[in-house]
Amino acid sequence: DSGVTQTPKHLITATGQRVTLRCSPRSGDLSVYWYQQSLDQGLQFLIQYYNGEERAKGNILERFSAQQFPDLHSELNLSSLELGDSALYFCASSVGLDRSTDTQYFGPGTRLTVL
Amino acid sequence: QQQVKQSPQSLIVQKGGISIINCAYENTAFDYFPWYQQFPGKGPALLIAIRPDVSEKKEGRFTISFNKSAKQFSLHIMDSQPGDSATYFCAVLNSGGGADGLTFGKGTHLIIQP
Repeated sequence: DSGVTQTPKHLITATGQRVTLRCSPRSGDLSVYWYQQSLDQGLQFLIQYYNGEERAKGNILERFSAQQFPDLHSELNLSSLELGDSALYFCASSVGLDRSTDTQYFGPGTRLTVL
Repeated sequence: QQQVKQSPQSLIVQKGGISIINCAYENTAFDYFPWYQQFPGKGPALLIAIRPDVSEKKEGRFTISFNKSAKQFSLHIMDSQPGDSATYFCAVLNSGGGADGLTFGKGTHLIIQP
């Protein structure tokens, strides 16, 4: 168990809808990362937050947004969902800002299915 | 454009054998090369990582070999065990890249046959 929790575990919704995925980082970790894993695109970095502020951005669509709250939990909001958004969404956390020296611990993921 | 190419896509190795997974990259600015292990239904977990100032790093049965001139790095699993059966991802990072995150290879599905 990595200590990172994600809810819900599974989510089934329809095209055009909006969903929110939630992540609680390990105790003491200030950075939260979001990743998308799909069969065709593989594992892709979406965005990083550190202590409430956005610090790095990857291949995140404009329809997606995230935030990190004062208690350090994070939410990933996905709107105007399309079939191609069906994927596993992982949250990871690390103690600090450094993406190379701070180990990222991944949560169990949320499986999103868009019908 | 794929920033890191991983091969093979799948690999079957006999118990006790050596499993070898390779990755190649183009951008010489990358300076952090981790390997992640993922079991079904779980998130990836950091296995071992290397920086370009060394050519090899060993942790238990897992070794990373790094060839800076060829822009390639590989994971070797010695004495492979059935419990090593998982998907392995290499990744690259430009730690000085400011807004960059880890870029992952497509993954290698490894099966260790008893």
